[in-house]
Amino acid sequence: QQQVKQSPQSLIVQKGGISIINCAYENTAFDYFPWYQQFPGKGPALLIAIRPDVSEKKEGRFTISFNKSAKQFSLHIMDSQPGDSATYFCAARGDYKLSFGAGTTVTVRA
Amino acid sequence: EPEVTQTPSHQVTQMGQEVILRCVPISNHLYFYWYRQILGQKVEFLVSFYNNEISEKSEIFDDQFSVERPDGSNFTLKIRSTKLEDSAMYFCASSETTEETQYFGPGTRLLVL
Repeated sequence: QQQVKQSPQSLIVQKGGISIINCAYENTAFDYFPWYQQFPGKGPALLIAIRPDVSEKKEGRFTISFNKSAKQFSLHIMDSQPGDSATYFCAARGDYKLSFGAGTTVTVRA
Repeated sequence: EPEVTQTPSHQVTQMGQEVILRCVPISNHLYFYWYRQILGQKVEFLVSFYNNEISEKSEIFDDQFSVERPDGSNFTLKIRSTKLEDSAMYFCASSETTEETQYFGPGTRLLVL
């Protein structure tokens, strides 16, 4: 049962461009939606997170947009940099656990 | 900055052998988790643990798996008789409460031959 769907699987963006990753969830009991950044061979690191009573949250170049009625949320990476090249996972929390999306590999070309 | 640590970073074992993966959660955290990530796939929840009890476990976490907090700092995952399909990256995570963010360790890469 796939509770969190993430797209695209991969994307390539030019330095300075905008990366957009989308996620959709099914379980309306989810109460917290974090995004994790993962570099090869490393553990997921929290990037930014949002709760369902907020429609947008911005931290530096990273913004989460949240649409509760559509059960969708997205990550925008503004002014993408080569150091942003990584795999990004959306997740949703419910019942003591995180359900992860399949991940998006972002490649930022210099 | 406090962080979750895991040992070993890599473990190679023969099918049928027992392995123990170790984690030291962040010191003031009370909730502990194990997740795994098969190569190229998404991170999957295995088990959550609080107050010396399992709070939640997935269908992956069968009788071959067990967790323990043997002392005040370590949190372990034991796989009793490893199978080839147990080969994965295993991540430990911890959080202060169920409402707070889960912080992940760097993982243990387990290879079962």
